[in-house]
Amino acid sequence: EVQLVESGGGLVQPGGSLRLSCAASGFTFSNSWMTWVRQAPGKGLEWVANIRQDGGEKYYVDSVKGRFTIYRDNAKNSLDLQMNSLRAEDSAVYYCALQKITAVTHTWFDPWGQGTLVTVSS
Amino acid sequence: EIVLTQSPATLSLSPGERATLSCRASQGVSNNLVWYQQKPGQAPRLLIYDASNRATGIPARFSGSGSGTDFTLTISSLEPEDFAVYYCQHRQSFGQGTKLEIK
Repeated sequence: EVQLVESGGGLVQPGGSLRLSCAASGFTFSNSWMTWVRQAPGKGLEWVANIRQDGGEKYYVDSVKGRFTIYRDNAKNSLDLQMNSLRAEDSAVYYCALQKITAVTHTWFDPWGQGTLVTVSS
Repeated sequence: EIVLTQSPATLSLSPGERATLSCRASQGVSNNLVWYQQKPGQAPRLLIYDASNRATGIPARFSGSGSGTDFTLTISSLEPEDFAVYYCQHRQSFGQGTKLEIK
Protein backbone atom coordinates (compact mmCIF):
# COMPACT_ATOMS: atom_id res chain seq x y z
CA GLU A 1 0.00 0.00 0.00
CA VAL A 2 1.30 3.43 -0.94
CA GLN A 3 1.76 5.64 2.11
CA LEU A 4 2.86 9.24 2.46
CA VAL A 5 3.32 10.68 5.94
CA GLU A 6 4.12 14.36 6.42
CA SER A 7 5.73 15.88 9.48
CA GLY A 8 7.39 19.07 10.59
CA GLY A 9 4.49 21.49 10.68
CA GLY A 10 3.91 23.89 13.52
CA LEU A 11 3.71 27.50 14.63
CA VAL A 12 6.40 29.84 13.36
CA GLN A 13 6.82 33.60 13.46
CA PRO A 14 6.76 35.70 10.30
CA GLY A 15 10.19 35.69 8.72
CA GLY A 16 11.01 32.34 10.29
CA SER A 17 11.87 28.99 8.75
CA LEU A 18 10.42 25.51 8.83
CA ARG A 19 11.33 22.23 7.14
CA LEU A 20 8.60 19.79 6.25
CA SER A 21 9.25 16.13 5.56
CA CYS A 22 7.29 13.42 3.81
CA ALA A 23 8.11 9.76 4.38
CA ALA A 24 7.14 7.55 1.46
CA SER A 25 6.57 3.81 1.34
CA GLY A 26 4.83 1.17 -0.73
CA PHE A 27 6.13 2.27 -4.13
CA THR A 28 9.39 2.90 -5.95
CA PHE A 29 10.07 6.41 -4.71
CA SER A 30 13.10 6.94 -6.92
CA ASN A 31 10.94 6.42 -10.04
CA SER A 32 8.36 9.04 -9.11
CA TRP A 33 7.85 12.75 -9.46
CA MET A 34 6.76 14.17 -6.13
CA THR A 35 4.85 17.33 -5.33
CA TRP A 36 3.72 19.59 -2.49
CA VAL A 37 0.24 21.10 -2.48
CA ARG A 38 -1.11 23.42 0.21
CA GLN A 39 -4.51 24.47 1.42
CA ALA A 40 -5.06 27.59 3.49
CA PRO A 41 -7.75 27.28 6.18
CA GLY A 42 -11.17 27.17 4.55
CA LYS A 43 -9.69 27.70 1.09
CA GLY A 44 -8.96 25.69 -2.02
CA LEU A 45 -5.93 23.76 -3.18
CA GLU A 46 -2.74 25.41 -4.39
CA TRP A 47 0.15 23.57 -5.99
CA VAL A 48 3.45 24.64 -4.40
CA ALA A 49 6.39 22.72 -5.86
CA ASN A 50 7.45 19.51 -7.51
CA ILE A 51 10.64 17.59 -8.17
CA ARG A 52 11.77 15.10 -10.76
CA GLN A 53 12.77 11.55 -9.91
CA ASP A 54 16.49 12.32 -9.71
CA GLY A 55 16.06 15.79 -8.24
CA GLY A 56 17.42 17.37 -11.41
CA GLU A 57 14.31 19.42 -12.14
CA LYS A 58 12.40 21.47 -9.59
CA TYR A 59 9.46 23.82 -10.14
CA TYR A 60 7.74 26.29 -7.84
CA VAL A 61 4.66 28.46 -7.77
CA ASP A 62 5.69 32.11 -8.21
CA SER A 63 4.67 33.11 -4.69
CA VAL A 64 7.29 30.86 -3.06
CA LYS A 65 10.18 31.16 -5.52
CA GLY A 66 13.36 32.15 -3.75
CA ARG A 67 11.90 31.27 -0.33
CA PHE A 68 11.02 27.57 -0.55
CA THR A 69 13.24 24.70 -1.71
CA ILE A 70 12.10 21.19 -2.45
CA TYR A 71 14.49 18.30 -1.81
CA ARG A 72 14.41 14.56 -2.02
CA ASP A 73 16.56 11.73 -0.68
CA ASN A 74 15.92 8.62 -2.73
CA ALA A 75 18.04 6.49 -0.40
CA LYS A 76 15.71 7.37 2.47
CA ASN A 77 12.48 7.58 0.46
CA SER A 78 12.03 11.08 1.78
CA LEU A 79 10.73 14.35 0.37
CA ASP A 80 11.38 17.68 2.09
CA LEU A 81 10.23 21.25 1.74
CA GLN A 82 12.51 23.89 3.24
CA MET A 83 10.49 27.05 3.86
CA ASN A 84 12.29 30.32 4.64
CA SER A 85 11.09 33.89 5.09
CA LEU A 86 7.65 32.65 5.98
CA ARG A 87 4.67 34.94 5.69
CA ALA A 88 1.19 34.84 7.17
CA GLU A 89 -0.17 33.90 3.76
CA ASP A 90 1.93 30.71 3.83
CA SER A 91 -0.26 29.38 6.64
CA ALA A 92 -1.88 26.21 5.34
CA VAL A 93 -2.05 22.47 5.51
CA TYR A 94 0.79 21.16 3.35
CA TYR A 95 0.26 17.88 1.55
CA CYS A 96 2.83 15.79 -0.22
CA ALA A 97 1.59 13.70 -3.11
CA LEU A 98 2.86 11.28 -5.68
CA GLN A 99 2.65 12.95 -9.07
CA LYS A 100 1.69 10.72 -11.96
CA ILE A 101 2.80 11.93 -15.37
CA THR A 102 1.77 9.96 -18.43
CA ALA A 103 2.54 12.66 -21.02
CA VAL A 104 3.67 16.27 -21.05
CA THR A 105 0.32 17.64 -19.91
CA HIS A 106 -1.28 14.52 -18.44
CA THR A 107 -0.56 14.74 -14.75
CA TRP A 108 -2.39 14.12 -11.52
CA PHE A 109 -1.68 13.64 -7.84
CA ASP A 110 -2.37 10.29 -6.23
CA PRO A 111 -2.21 9.46 -3.44
CA TRP A 112 -1.87 12.32 -0.97
CA GLY A 113 -0.52 12.29 2.55
CA GLN A 114 -2.68 13.36 5.47
CA GLY A 115 -1.09 16.80 5.57
CA THR A 116 0.80 18.86 8.12
CA LEU A 117 -0.38 22.25 9.38
CA VAL A 118 1.86 25.28 9.17
CA THR A 119 0.80 28.42 11.01
CA VAL A 120 2.74 31.62 10.51
CA SER A 121 1.85 34.08 13.22
CA SER A 122 3.41 36.29 15.86
CA GLU B 1 -1.58 29.90 -17.12
CA ILE B 2 -4.89 28.13 -17.52
CA VAL B 3 -7.67 29.16 -15.14
CA LEU B 4 -10.26 26.60 -14.10
CA THR B 5 -13.69 27.86 -13.07
CA GLN B 6 -16.04 25.50 -11.26
CA SER B 7 -19.78 25.90 -10.98
CA PRO B 8 -21.85 26.06 -8.98
CA ALA B 9 -19.91 27.07 -5.88
CA THR B 10 -22.41 25.15 -3.76
CA LEU B 11 -24.86 22.47 -4.82
CA SER B 12 -27.63 21.39 -2.46
CA LEU B 13 -29.16 18.01 -3.22
CA SER B 14 -30.71 15.04 -1.45
CA PRO B 15 -29.43 11.45 -1.30
CA GLY B 16 -30.55 9.53 -4.35
CA GLU B 17 -30.52 12.58 -6.61
CA ARG B 18 -28.20 13.14 -9.55
CA ALA B 19 -25.38 15.65 -9.18
CA THR B 20 -23.82 17.52 -12.08
CA LEU B 21 -20.69 19.58 -11.40
CA SER B 22 -19.02 21.75 -14.00
CA CYS B 23 -15.43 22.81 -14.65
CA ARG B 24 -14.55 25.26 -17.40
CA ALA B 25 -10.99 25.90 -18.58
CA SER B 26 -9.89 29.32 -19.85
CA GLN B 27 -8.37 27.63 -22.90
CA GLY B 28 -8.54 24.18 -24.40
CA VAL B 29 -6.89 21.40 -22.42
CA SER B 30 -7.91 18.44 -24.58
CA ASN B 31 -8.89 15.69 -22.12
CA ASN B 32 -6.25 16.63 -19.53
CA LEU B 33 -8.64 17.21 -16.68
CA VAL B 34 -8.73 15.57 -13.26
CA TRP B 35 -11.33 15.46 -10.48
CA TYR B 36 -10.76 15.05 -6.73
CA GLN B 37 -13.07 14.63 -3.76
CA GLN B 38 -12.22 16.12 -0.39
CA LYS B 39 -14.09 15.46 2.84
CA PRO B 40 -13.65 17.64 5.94
CA GLY B 41 -10.35 16.98 7.71
CA GLN B 42 -9.15 14.65 4.98
CA ALA B 43 -6.74 14.84 2.08
CA PRO B 44 -8.11 15.04 -1.43
CA ARG B 45 -8.83 11.73 -3.15
CA LEU B 46 -8.40 11.12 -6.87
CA LEU B 47 -11.70 10.33 -8.58
CA ILE B 48 -11.26 10.84 -12.32
CA TYR B 49 -8.22 11.36 -14.54
CA ASP B 50 -7.96 12.17 -18.25
CA ALA B 51 -11.49 13.60 -18.02
CA SER B 52 -13.34 10.30 -17.97
CA ASN B 53 -11.25 7.52 -16.42
CA ARG B 54 -12.27 6.43 -12.95
CA ALA B 55 -9.41 5.91 -10.52
CA THR B 56 -8.94 2.58 -8.80
CA GLY B 57 -11.69 1.81 -6.31
CA ILE B 58 -13.97 4.67 -7.34
CA PRO B 59 -17.64 3.59 -7.57
CA ALA B 60 -19.32 3.48 -10.96
CA ARG B 61 -21.82 6.16 -9.92
CA PHE B 62 -19.01 8.69 -10.50
CA SER B 63 -18.41 9.59 -14.13
CA GLY B 64 -16.53 12.32 -15.94
CA SER B 65 -17.02 13.75 -19.38
CA GLY B 66 -15.91 16.60 -21.57
CA SER B 67 -13.06 17.77 -23.72
CA GLY B 68 -11.53 21.06 -24.68
CA THR B 69 -12.82 23.69 -22.26
CA ASP B 70 -15.98 22.20 -20.72
CA PHE B 71 -16.02 19.27 -18.33
CA THR B 72 -18.59 17.60 -16.13
CA LEU B 73 -18.44 15.35 -13.10
CA THR B 74 -21.66 13.42 -12.64
CA ILE B 75 -22.72 11.43 -9.61
CA SER B 76 -25.65 9.34 -10.79
CA SER B 77 -27.33 8.71 -7.45
CA LEU B 78 -25.97 10.45 -4.39
CA GLU B 79 -24.95 8.39 -1.38
CA PRO B 80 -24.57 10.03 2.04
CA GLU B 81 -20.77 9.72 1.83
CA ASP B 82 -20.65 11.70 -1.43
CA PHE B 83 -21.34 15.05 0.24
CA ALA B 84 -17.97 16.75 0.10
CA VAL B 85 -16.00 19.34 -1.85
CA TYR B 86 -14.96 18.52 -5.40
CA TYR B 87 -12.01 20.05 -7.23
CA CYS B 88 -10.96 19.90 -10.86
CA GLN B 89 -7.29 20.14 -11.84
CA HIS B 90 -5.20 20.63 -14.96
CA ARG B 91 -1.45 20.38 -14.58
CA GLN B 92 -0.59 22.69 -11.65
CA SER B 93 -3.92 24.56 -11.66
CA PHE B 94 -6.91 23.76 -9.49
CA GLY B 95 -10.47 25.01 -9.70
CA GLN B 96 -11.87 26.76 -6.66
CA GLY B 97 -14.07 23.81 -5.73
CA THR B 98 -17.76 22.93 -5.60
CA LYS B 99 -19.26 22.11 -2.23
CA LEU B 100 -21.90 19.40 -2.50
CA GLU B 101 -24.14 19.67 0.53
CA ILE B 102 -27.18 17.83 1.80
CA LYS B 103 -30.44 19.58 1.10
